[in-house]
Amino acid sequence: GAVVSQHPSWVICKSGTSVKIECRSLDFQATTMFWYRQFPKQSLMLMATSNEGSKATYEQGVEKDKFLINHASLTLSTLTVTSAHPEDSSFYICSASAPMGVGGGRLGHEQYFGPGTRLTVT
Amino acid sequence: QQQVKQSPQSLIVQKGGISIINCAYENTAFDYFPWYQQFPGKGPALLIAIRPDVSEKKEGRFTISFNKSAKQFSLHIMDSQPGDSATYFCAANTNAGKSTFGDGTTLTVKP
Repeated sequence: GAVVSQHPSWVICKSGTSVKIECRSLDFQATTMFWYRQFPKQSLMLMATSNEGSKATYEQGVEKDKFLINHASLTLSTLTVTSAHPEDSSFYICSASAPMGVGGGRLGHEQYFGPGTRLTVT
Repeated sequence: QQQVKQSPQSLIVQKGGISIINCAYENTAFDYFPWYQQFPGKGPALLIAIRPDVSEKKEGRFTISFNKSAKQFSLHIMDSQPGDSATYFCAANTNAGKSTFGDGTTLTVKP
């Protein structure tokens, strides 16, 4: 259990266009989802925390008007990169926080990650 | 300010050997410490995790050792295999579930 999917797995878009990435928890409900960005050979950088039914909380330095997050249901969060530029090219990964017991976890706070989305802006 | 420091940056181990990765944290509010394994082009996968009221946790070949007073924890991979070659991240969570990650360790297990 505790499977998280992302769609698309990779996308190429032209500079100035917008791209939407979906993150779904397939077999559990996630009140909280997280969006990360990862550059090659670097760690995960938390961009924002997405809570179902409320506005996302963005980390310092992350432009909320550029990276729009919508957590419309307990199983779906979306990240829209608006007016994309080449410097937005990166690997975007979401995670969903699973309730205690889901996925075999007994500690709570377990985060299960999606497979990531490779965004290339040309 | 880096709240979770991970070392080494890279590690080469012979097949069958023990791989050891260390992490240190600063914020005493952290109450959950997971380790993740990531293969190139994939998302991280939860390997094993521990809470600070336990000093050691073992699952198969993977063991976490936790030293609360020193604010350090480590991952030990016993009988390392070439298939274990990946990047490993330690993390520390607050009770809100928000994770702070270490910089990662690239493990190479030579056959």
